[in-house]
Parts: sequence; C-alpha cells; structure tokens
Amino acid sequence: DAGVTQSPTHLIKTRGQQVTLRCSPKSGHDTVSWYQQALGQGPQFIFQYYEEEERQRGNFPDRFSGHQFPNYSSELNVNALLLGDSALYLCASSHWTDLNTGELFFGEGSRLTVL
Amino acid sequence: AQSVSQHNHHVILSEAASLELGCNYSYGGTVNLFWYVQYPGQHLQLLLKYFSGDPLVKGIKGFEAEFIKSKFSFNLRKPSVQWSDTAEYFCAVIVISGDMRFGAGTRLTVKP
Repeated sequence: DAGVTQSPTHLIKTRGQQVTLRCSPKSGHDTVSWYQQALGQGPQFIFQYYEEEERQRGNFPDRFSGHQFPNYSSELNVNALLLGDSALYLCASSHWTDLNTGELFFGEGSRLTVL
Repeated sequence: AQSVSQHNHHVILSEAASLELGCNYSYGGTVNLFWYVQYPGQHLQLLLKYFSGDPLVKGIKGFEAEFIKSKFSFNLRKPSVQWSDTAEYFCAVIVISGDMRFGAGTRLTVKP
C-alpha cells in the first residue's frame, strides 16, 4: 500500500520563475493538504483540496495555487518565485470525513531552492 | 495571535534519561492535539493524538502526553529515551477541519 508520494524530491529555480510540485495521496484518501516548512520551522498550512476544490487556505499569497485531479492527486504551483519561497513543501493526505480526528499522512516532501 | 508554542528548540539527553517536551497553544474552544515525529531522512509520522476523554494519552514507542486544559498545554513525555529517539518532534493543533497548525519543533538528540 503506497503512502504519500511527492515529486520532484529536489529542485532549484531562480527568482521570478514558476514551479509545479506534485503529490499522490495514500491509497483510499480523498483529501490533500499542502504545507511549507522553512528551515528550522514547523510546517505552515498552505491550502487543502477535496473534490477538486480548494476548501481551506492558510495565510499565503495568490502566487500559491493548486489543483486536485479526479484521481485525488494534487499539484501545488508557485508563480513569480522569491528567495523566501525556498523551503520543504509537504503534501499530506487524509479522509475528508476524518479531518478533525484523523491522522494526516505526510510525504517526504519536495525541497525547493530559489536562487 | 493564535499559535502553537514549543518551549525548547534543541534538547540533548543521554540514553535512559527522562524526556519532557513542552507544548502550549493559544486557541480557544475545542481543539484536537497531536504530536508528530520526524526521524532523520524520514517523513513526518504521528506519535499520538488527543481528542477527548482521559487527558493522559499513550502513543507509539513508549511516548505519552498529558492534556492540561487549564494550562493550554499538551506536553510529551517518555520515561527513558533511547538513541533511536533522536528526531525532531512537532506539536500540532486542529482548530477548524483539517487546518492543522504546527509548532516550530524541538530537535531531540540522544547521546549513546
């Protein structure tokens, strides 16, 4: 049973570029959440997708956008990259019906470096 | 501002020492509380969680945590740590469905 898988694992971009990160949730999960983890910090909630719609959003600018596909996989897009966007981006999956009480299953993350 | 605070940034212990990691949250109302662990090179994984009932909850690998509502605290404990417990530990709170807020993390180093 595959857990949460993310790609790519590492990538380097320059300021102003755009990046797309991908996530496949754990088998049987229908909800995907994205987090940004800066060095030395805890994960910060970006947004959450269920039924192909953004359901909740944290305090991130519109440069951060996402998408969920019919197979529940998800993408995170960041436009006009800034140096401060350098971080580990984590995807977590869960059941929509278990959101308050269920466990979030995390992938290993995509490490983005912006030069 | 609403937040999750972890008191210690880095804790260094010798094997067999007792561990207590502090966590305080500033959200009002009902919260669900979690501790996650991230071993070196691995993904975040759940240690334990509290929703209701007995405020002393037991998790995997001998860890436990106590919810003290009056102190807005959810401290993690282990009576005797092992070298394999070296990891980063994150306290987290769910306030609204699925909106999980994490503390900054505590790095635990256990010396053999």
